[in-house]
Amino acid sequence: EIVMTQSPATLSVSPGQRVTVSCRASQSVGSNLAWYQQKPGQAPRLLINGVSARAAGAPARFSGSGSGTEFTLTISSLQSEDFAVYFCQQYDDWPRTFGQGTKLEIK
Amino acid sequence: QVQLVQSGGEVKKPGSSVKVSCKASGDSFSRYVISWVRQAPGQGLEWVGETIPFLDKPKYAQKFQGRVTISADESTSTSYLELRSLRSDDTAVYYCAREGHCGSTMCLYYAMDVWGQGTSVTVSS
Repeated sequence: EIVMTQSPATLSVSPGQRVTVSCRASQSVGSNLAWYQQKPGQAPRLLINGVSARAAGAPARFSGSGSGTEFTLTISSLQSEDFAVYFCQQYDDWPRTFGQGTKLEIK
Repeated sequence: QVQLVQSGGEVKKPGSSVKVSCKASGDSFSRYVISWVRQAPGQGLEWVGETIPFLDKPKYAQKFQGRVTISADESTSTSYLELRSLRSDDTAVYYCAREGHCGSTMCLYYAMDVWGQGTSVTVSS
């Protein structure tokens, strides 16, 4: 199976800061890479699919980039509502696999 | 806009079974790809399997093979996840999600764009 590795596991950041989260796949997933946001007690919410396409309702401050095995989620200016856990996921092959998550904490 | 509404939380004994439902609103349910994902307390997301109702050919993660059945009832636009021989480490929130849709000859996958609210399953003696 394709192993997805995210870094860092935790990020302490201040509102207004620019944030980048990395995701590496153990083999190429083409452009079949998504990012999700999850807040406590809620289901995950799709932010980005196809590496860089923002999902409906996702704010413009969220962007995705990368190709093949290396991907990045960028939040241009962190807002208070962005403190959450972020997961990458590949949907290029079965089983579908997720990164272990990156938690954004208030600094 | 499609919505997915799941059944309520369950408490089960080890060795028993649980069946969780996921009802879709809107049209085209039979052509959706419905995935099931679970999340143990404080842990990450784990894909369990998927179904495409009109094809009725589910796929499962290998670790659940033989213990899980994912099915769908097109007449009620409902997908089901049944997990048998429950263990304490099956304690998790189980989510259904739409992952794509299928035409007559091929399916388009576009990540999990619509999620159910989650169903808590607790396995405890």
